[in-house]
Amino acid sequence: AQSVSQHNHHVILSEAASLELGCNYSYGGTVNLFWYVQYPGQHLQLLLKYFSGDPLVKGIKGFEAEFIKSKFSFNLRKPSVQWSDTAEYFCAVNPADSNYQLIWGAGTKLIIKP
Amino acid sequence: DAGVTQSPTHLIKTRGQQVTLRCSPKSGHDTVSWYQQALGQGPQFIFQYYEEEERQRGNFPDRFSGHQFPNYSSELNVNALLLGDSALYLCASSLGTVQYFGPGTRLTVT
Repeated sequence: AQSVSQHNHHVILSEAASLELGCNYSYGGTVNLFWYVQYPGQHLQLLLKYFSGDPLVKGIKGFEAEFIKSKFSFNLRKPSVQWSDTAEYFCAVNPADSNYQLIWGAGTKLIIKP
Repeated sequence: DAGVTQSPTHLIKTRGQQVTLRCSPKSGHDTVSWYQQALGQGPQFIFQYYEEEERQRGNFPDRFSGHQFPNYSSELNVNALLLGDSALYLCASSLGTVQYFGPGTRLTVT
């Protein structure tokens, strides 16, 4: 069965630290990849997406992600986090042959200490 | 421009009852997807509606059914509620591949 793994369920960082959240998926075909963020008390928002082309994609608020096809990975990065980045981050995969179904990771709760 | 809206915000039901959740898509969107998010987990795909028909379905029993209206709004119905149906139910609308989410309906089954 297709699945998405997010390696860290909880991450605690200090402001200005660098961030990398891992995401791996199990599907051998073409995929569309997404990172969504859920800030406290808010609904899921799209952070960035990858469909094709340059495997390094940039999103909102200084986030970026790199698609490595050989590793089935789509890791999220930010060079310097801020307290306002405290949120839950979800990786989602859309296998190209499954219409628009999104398969989700379990999420990573990120806490930034001021 | 209103985003995706869902109603009600919270709902408490008893085992065996039936529930209907509602979703209005973002303006211009023609596709609605429903997800179930249990506590501490990522969303699980229930089904997707397009042109008033169920286009794709996830691994959920027939107790979960839905409907899409001509104005693209949608309903999710769950019959014979079980304790395990307690979750946040998310609606997402889309025009293409990117899905936009509503705030969800928190269903508690007692």
